[in-house]
Amino acid sequence: QVQLQESGPGLVKPSQTLSLTCTVSGGSIRSGDYYWSWIRQPPGKGLEWIGYIYYSGSTYYNPSLKSRVTISVDTSKNQFSLKLSSVTAADTAVYYCARVTGDTAMVEYNWFDPWGQGTLVTVSS
Amino acid sequence: QSVLTQPPSVSGAPGQRVTISCTGSSSNIGAGYDVHWYQQLPGTAPKLLIYVNSNRPSGVPDRFSGSKSGTSASLAITGLQAEDEADYYCQSYDSSLSAWVFGGGTKLTVL
Repeated sequence: QVQLQESGPGLVKPSQTLSLTCTVSGGSIRSGDYYWSWIRQPPGKGLEWIGYIYYSGSTYYNPSLKSRVTISVDTSKNQFSLKLSSVTAADTAVYYCARVTGDTAMVEYNWFDPWGQGTLVTVSS
Repeated sequence: QSVLTQPPSVSGAPGQRVTISCTGSSSNIGAGYDVHWYQQLPGTAPKLLIYVNSNRPSGVPDRFSGSKSGTSASLAITGLQAEDEADYYCQSYDSSLSAWVFGGGTKLTVL
């Protein structure tokens, strides 16, 4: 079964760029059967969808974060990555990667399954 | 303020039935977009509980059920167990925001 694992620095300074990688095991990103997504959760708060990517490299971002987000894919390593620029304390959160599951032709109706275990990123000087 | 509104908390005694509502609008649930539910146990990642309004993934007990009507959806849990104590989130798509959205989450306490 597919498993996802996030990795990256746990501490980022304000105004810098947050960078995380999600490694997929048990399945190939290159299969084209799924989209791959990032979601975050500030401590003690709810979930916020960040964006998704397809194996081809096509992306779609949450308009509320679009100006600061870049998601990329490396099919040779079966990984996809997140970059969030100009971070502030408000970007402190647990960041999850997840597989977007459902009909890729009707992606708006899809859901997230499975999820990685998450990684806490703190923005502080 | 979340686009999808959930009660902050619900509670019930073991064996009882509880429901968690998820209220949206004409740009999300009311527009026909599906609703999905997740269970987040303390200190863990969210786990898919219900997909496409009322479908249970393999391994999810039939004590959990989902429904959708109009601009709202509901998650029902029957035969409440201590292990059900968790946060529950609904998720859908919002055409006005052009984004997937989540409810604010509901904390279930088993008394």
